Amino acid sequence: AQKVTQAQTEISVVEKEDVTLDCVYETRDTTYYLFWYKQPPSGELVFLIRRNSFDEQNEISGRYSWNFQKSTSSFNFTITASQVVDSAVYFCALSGSLYSSASKIIFGSGTRLSIRP
Amino acid sequence: EAGVTQFPSHSVIEKGQTVTLRCDPISGHDNLYWYRRVMGKEIKFLLHFVKESKQDESGMPNNRFLAERTGGTYSTLKVQPAELEDSGVYFCASSQQWGYEQYFGPGTRLTVT
Repeated sequence: AQKVTQAQTEISVVEKEDVTLDCVYETRDTTYYLFWYKQPPSGELVFLIRRNSFDEQNEISGRYSWNFQKSTSSFNFTITASQVVDSAVYFCALSGSLYSSASKIIFGSGTRLSIRP
Repeated sequence: EAGVTQFPSHSVIEKGQTVTLRCDPISGHDNLYWYRRVMGKEIKFLLHFVKESKQDESGMPNNRFLAERTGGTYSTLKVQPAELEDSGVYFCASSQQWGYEQYFGPGTRLTVT
């Protein structure tokens, strides 16, 4: 079975602090995709990143970085020098590589991040 | 390029009534997905269209839900009759190919009273 766990329900930090959102996943697929989505107060889901299970290189995009550790089944997301506009709910997600399961994205329960000015 | 659009943005109906949600995917995206988030729980997959065909509808909760995608363009999701537990946010997503990133619409917030 596939499962995504985001243990942190809510996080609140002061602006400019670094913050890491944890994500642990379970899958029996040998190849799979991992995702992060952002849901700002406006409600839409904004795609942030997709990572193939074969690619364990860390990714950096501006203030965002992702740490994929296959050995611990984790795909953590770090925001450096957080800003108030980063306040949102962040979802980690997983999909399989086989056609039938790749159609489904399995979402974690989300982490609500609040950045205080 | 226009993103995924959904209509309406918010719908309030009474138990027993019918509601139809619409999704227009990104132009050229053959894959269209429906998800929903109810009662603050996880976002759950409902079904997947490839063009006009239902590829996977394993997430549809029961036969009160009917999804269509005639012509392989926009899709509708009908709930008939609506129940209180159907309240939540219904998201539509589209992707160019299966396994690729799915781009989500803004969602339709459904409230059943």
